[in-house]
Amino acid sequence: GQSLEQPSEVTAVEGAIVQINCTYQTSGFYGLSWYQQHDGGAPTFLSYNALDGLEETGRFSSFLSRSDSYGYLLLQELQMKDSASYFCAVPSGNTPLVFGKGTRLSVIA
Amino acid sequence: DTEVTQTPKHLVMGMTNKKSLKCEQHMGHRAMYWYKQKAKKPPELMFVYSYEKLSINESVPSRFSPECPNSSLLNLHLHALQPEDSALYLCASSQDRQSYSYEQYFGPGTRLTVT
Repeated sequence: GQSLEQPSEVTAVEGAIVQINCTYQTSGFYGLSWYQQHDGGAPTFLSYNALDGLEETGRFSSFLSRSDSYGYLLLQELQMKDSASYFCAVPSGNTPLVFGKGTRLSVIA
Repeated sequence: DTEVTQTPKHLVMGMTNKKSLKCEQHMGHRAMYWYKQKAKKPPELMFVYSYEKLSINESVPSRFSPECPNSSLLNLHLHALQPEDSALYLCASSQDRQSYSYEQYFGPGTRLTVT
């Protein structure tokens, strides 16, 4: 089985930095993915960490610590368009991807 | 072309109707997925096709019947649905199921309402 824990809501100011945490429990860990979903939109792949450390892609970075079963998504220079739900996801058993419950990020002016 | 298309965008159907959802991708991906997503919930996996063969059925009721006519197309046939089946149905694809399932490309979804 697996479980993924992430905060349900986060609010941050435009231009600031926000970190969305994800802790996981799963048998046979292979890597942690992050997806973004705007209201009414499709989930969009953001990043994947299979190894410990920080992966940077533009304003977004993702971090993984396998020993702590923990990862986070870091969003810098927040923009209003970053308001969305963010899901961490892991493979679990035979299921290629199981999503966490999602963190709803609200960016305010 | 990194697009997954889905039709229709919206669908309203009665409990006795039969309808189909369609999904198409032209990225050469060999794995395709159906997910169900309720409001304010994460996507939940329903089916996985790998190289046009059904590889995973997550104990989905038989009123949902998937079909993969070829490597680019995925259908979901619906029959005798219940109001609780109302949801956003998302199709996704990835290069393959084994090594690249962590990076899935999603279509915009079909918003289904069962009356």
